[in-house]
Amino acid sequence: ILNVEQSPQSLHVQEGDSTNFTCSFPSSNFYALHWYRWETAKSPEALFVMTLNGDEKKKGRISATLNTKEGYSYLYIKGSQPEDSATYLCARRYSGGGADGLTFGKGTHLIIQP
Amino acid sequence: EPEVTQTPSHQVTQMGQEVILHCVPISNHLYFYWYRQILGQKVEFLVSFYNNEISEKSEIFDDQFSVERPDGSNFTLKIRSTKLEDSAMYFCASSRLGGTQETQYFGPGTRLLVL
Repeated sequence: ILNVEQSPQSLHVQEGDSTNFTCSFPSSNFYALHWYRWETAKSPEALFVMTLNGDEKKKGRISATLNTKEGYSYLYIKGSQPEDSATYLCARRYSGGGADGLTFGKGTHLIIQP
Repeated sequence: EPEVTQTPSHQVTQMGQEVILHCVPISNHLYFYWYRQILGQKVEFLVSFYNNEISEKSEIFDDQFSVERPDGSNFTLKIRSTKLEDSAMYFCASSRLGGTQETQYFGPGTRLLVL
């Protein structure tokens, strides 16, 4: 299994500031990249599923980009709010059919400081 | 909004005992998954299930693990003889279909502690 890496591991950001973090993955045999937002004691919440090189997706103040050729995705949060504090997970899908499992990174733990 | 539910939220068991973790996937979903996260490590795929049979499984999913869909709503993970290293958060997930763009929706997890 090829590794999915996320950086930084943790991040402290002032409320109102914008921030971004990275998910890196091997670019061969790419099918899809998933982003999740996970708050402690809650279900990981699906943010985006991205499949095409150059994809950009947006949900409110959160957006993501995808570069499948070089093997990375960025997640951006604009104007951070305390409720954005969570662990952000990315996960790669390694094949295109059936019920394939996702391979996760370790996550970026984001803390928004008031 | 429909959601995946899991019970119990926490389970403590003795080494060697059998445990069954329960999940109720989203009702119109056809694909079901189990993942686990050992404390401090990545979330890891265990198994996927479709059409009443295992579709894929990882190296972790050995003979001590089994999955079942006993009725139209529940999806269970059984660990036959628990080991200390089985202590982890176990997540159930479901997706409507199995295509590349399908989102997998996760439950809140069951935290299993093996003593």
